[in-house]
Amino acid sequence: DGGITQSPKYLFRKEGQNVTLSCEQNLNHDAMYWYRQDPGQGLRLIYYSQIVNDFQKGDIAEGYSVSREKKESFPLTVTSAQKNPTAFYLCASSPQGQGYMNTEAFFGQGTRLTVV
Amino acid sequence: AQTVTQSQPEMSVQEAETVTLSCTYDTSESDYYLFWYKQPPSRQMILVIRQEAYKQQNATENRFSVNFQKAAKSFSLKISDSQLGDAAMYFCAYRTLYSTLTFGKGTMLLVSP
Repeated sequence: DGGITQSPKYLFRKEGQNVTLSCEQNLNHDAMYWYRQDPGQGLRLIYYSQIVNDFQKGDIAEGYSVSREKKESFPLTVTSAQKNPTAFYLCASSPQGQGYMNTEAFFGQGTRLTVV
Repeated sequence: AQTVTQSQPEMSVQEAETVTLSCTYDTSESDYYLFWYKQPPSRQMILVIRQEAYKQQNATENRFSVNFQKAAKSFSLKISDSQLGDAAMYFCAYRTLYSTLTFGKGTMLLVSP
C-alpha cells in the first residue's frame, strides 16, 4: 500500500540528547513537510522540502534540522538546542510543492516524542 | 502572513443532528485553496473537503459541505446527520500558489448518542 510511514510511534529521550525521527513515503511525491502539534496550537510548520537536496525553514525551525538525500525520505533531527522538544510530530507529503496549490497533503501517523 | 482562525475550541452535537464549524482567514491573495482536515483519536490526519477560492459553488462531500463566503473570508464546515465516527479534531487550512499549508488551531467535535 502507498503511504507515509513515520517511525517510531513513541520515542523517549533524555534531555540534551539529539534524536532523529524517520519519515518515508512511497507515493512518489516531490514535496515533504514536518509539522509540530501541541495542544491548542494546531499544526506548525518546522521544515519543508520540494526537491531532493533542498529544504526550507518553516515557522519554528530553531532547534531542528533535516536532510533530503532521497526523494522518499525526509528525516527530522531534534537537537539539544530545541528548548521544549516534547510534542507530537507529523510528517506529510504532497505530489508537488509550491505552484500547485490544489494538492492536498497526505500525512503519516505521527511520532510522539517525550524528553525527560 | 496568512492566518487561519478557528474560534470554537470545542463543539458538541448529538447523533443525527447538524453542526457547523467556523473558520476565518486573512489574506490579500485572490486565488487560493481552503481545506478541512479531520484528526480522529488515532491522530491520522484525513482530508475532508477542499474549496478553490475562484469557484463560487460550495463544495460538498456526502454529509460534509462548506459555506464559503469569499468577501467575508469565511469557510465554515457543515456536518449533517452526525455520526459517532465524526468525533475528532477538525482543522481548517489555507494555501496559495506560493505558500505551504497554514492551519488553524483546531476545533474538537464531540458527538453524543
